[in-house]
Amino acid sequence: KAGVTQTPRYLIKTRGQQVTLSCSPISGHRSVSWYQQTPGQGLQFLFEYFSETQRNKGNFPGRFSGRQFSNSRSEMNVSTLELGDSALYLCASSTWMGGETQYFGPGTRLLVL
Amino acid sequence: GENVEQHPSTLSVQEGDSAVIKCTYSDSASNYFPWYKQELGKGPQLIIDIRSNVGEKKDQRIAVTLNKTAKHFSLHITETQPEDSAVYFCAASFGNSGYALNFGKGTSLLVTP
Repeated sequence: KAGVTQTPRYLIKTRGQQVTLSCSPISGHRSVSWYQQTPGQGLQFLFEYFSETQRNKGNFPGRFSGRQFSNSRSEMNVSTLELGDSALYLCASSTWMGGETQYFGPGTRLLVL
Repeated sequence: GENVEQHPSTLSVQEGDSAVIKCTYSDSASNYFPWYKQELGKGPQLIIDIRSNVGEKKDQRIAVTLNKTAKHFSLHITETQPEDSAVYFCAASFGNSGYALNFGKGTSLLVTP
């Protein structure tokens, strides 16, 4: 089985722009979670989607949003980018919501200039 | 918010020695505790996990113990090898949902030949 795939792998944007990141979960997985990883804050939970519904959200501003499509693929969007949004954005998928193992993709490295 | 504390932040051992990483959590409703290994340029890879109804779990050279009363869990790696060198993260589920994880800040493990 193919693993979690994320596109693009690297991205450079400037302050004020917006960005959309994509995640394709492992085939058959219906839950997709997003995390932000920075050297200072570590891995922080952004939000989780199951069957196209956001089931939980971390402590991030409204500039961070996401959605999930009927084929379980997910996108996250960051509007009005700030320098502090530079990070590795990780997507993880699991078979169902509630205690199952999460498998991470390689991440998208976002640099905001 | 709920925290996961991880110690030590760096750990250097000689090949063949054992390595122990310890984590504590604050959310008494957490019931799922995975450990991830992250190598440079890659996403976190699950190496072992444990659920709250189990006190110990072992997989070859890797073992995890959980003390729910004290709210701490530990990763034990025996007979370490240079390829074990990586950053290791512990995590605890948000409440009893399992689909969102609260991560420790990571332990950089270096195994020297």
